[in-house]
Amino acid sequence: GAVVSQHPSRVICKSGTSVKIECRSLDFQATTMFWYRQFPKKSLMLMATSNEGSKATYEQGVEKDKFLINHASLTLSTLTVTSAHPEDSSFYICSCSRTAQSRAGTQYFGPGTRLLVL
Amino acid sequence: AQSVTQLDSHVSVSEGTPVLLRCNYSSSYSPSLFWYVQHPNKGLQLLLKYTSAATLVKGINGFEAEFKKSETSFHLTKPSAHMSDAAEYFCVVSSDTGGFKTIFGAGTRLFVKA
Repeated sequence: GAVVSQHPSRVICKSGTSVKIECRSLDFQATTMFWYRQFPKKSLMLMATSNEGSKATYEQGVEKDKFLINHASLTLSTLTVTSAHPEDSSFYICSCSRTAQSRAGTQYFGPGTRLLVL
Repeated sequence: AQSVTQLDSHVSVSEGTPVLLRCNYSSSYSPSLFWYVQHPNKGLQLLLKYTSAATLVKGINGFEAEFKKSETSFHLTKPSAHMSDAAEYFCVVSSDTGGFKTIFGAGTRLFVKA
């Protein structure tokens, strides 16, 4: 159990367009979902945390108008990169937790989405 | 404040020999600690976690880690490396006191030689 999917797995887009990435928990209800960004050969950087039905909490330095997060249901969250630019190219990974934000809560990670902005 | 330091950016071992991936943490509160593994172009998979129960934690694929509060360490070990263990490993500290926070270490790349 605890399978998380992301779609698409990779996307190439032109500069100035918007890209939507979906994150789904397939066999459990995700009270909390997280979005991370990973640069090549680097660690994961938490971008934002969201709970179903409420606004996402963004980490310092992450533009909320640039990276729109919607947590529409207990099994789906979307990240929209608006007006994408080449510097937004990265590996975006979501994770889901069964519990509310809790230190003991295990995060189950999706396979990631590779975004390349030309 | 919280932080996590993975002491080695790369570790290389021969197949069949022990693996040691080192992690030190700093936390003002009682943290939970996790080890995740990431294979190339894949998501992260949980290996094991410590949440204030037994200090020696056994995980999947023969990995285990010991929480040592006095040394603020949570090193990951495996008695015998397998070729399939070659991957990136992340130590993670999480706390929900003083505001929820999850911090990833920089990662350790494990190479396994035949």
